[in-house]
Amino acid sequence: KNQVEQSPQSLIILEGKNCTLQCNYTVSPFSNLRWYKQDTGRGPVSLTIMTFSENTKSNGRYTATLDADTKQSSLHITASQLSDSASYICVPRFSGGYNKLIFGAGTRLAVHP
Amino acid sequence: EAQVTQNPRYLITVTGKKLTVTCSQNMNHEYMSWYRQDPGLGLRQIYYSMNVEVTDKGDVPEGYKVSRKEKRNFPLILESPSPNQTSLYFCASSRVPPDYNEQFFGPGTRLTVL
Repeated sequence: KNQVEQSPQSLIILEGKNCTLQCNYTVSPFSNLRWYKQDTGRGPVSLTIMTFSENTKSNGRYTATLDADTKQSSLHITASQLSDSASYICVPRFSGGYNKLIFGAGTRLAVHP
Repeated sequence: EAQVTQNPRYLITVTGKKLTVTCSQNMNHEYMSWYRQDPGLGLRQIYYSMNVEVTDKGDVPEGYKVSRKEKRNFPLILESPSPNQTSLYFCASSRVPPDYNEQFFGPGTRLTVL
């Protein structure tokens, strides 16, 4: 069964610190993986997408990594800001049908001053 | 501004009273979809549409209906709402194919069924 597990469920860090969020998936066959940021009360917004051939991709202070062999991805946030407080959702796409999206439950990040 | 809009944003209703949540996008996207989000769970797909007059069930379609008469609109209909449909609902749209293109989400509709 295709599944996505994100850890930790929630995280509190101080402003300026770095953090890493994890995503393990069992989606097979794998096509690509997207990270979304969801602010409280809003819809998710895409941060980055990674195909199976990419290991690292950066978007400003956000860096995503992907290990397609171990089926793991991480999202690293550098020099966190208060505006980074949000839920971060991992969405691997499996290539068995183009509409098959499996959303992780997300990691809720709180950045405190 | 490119966006997906939903209305209403908040709705409290009673069991059995039919309701419609509207969704509209101004990006000329072929693909549209409805999701529900519950605490501790990921977004789950209710219905999706690949184009006008083409709709199909997602993972949790029971108790919902949709229609796609125009490209920009994709309303979600609850014919007889029940308390287990209390949830946060999101509409999304994208170009095709949806497997690679980014989905743009609406602001969400928080529904409470008493």
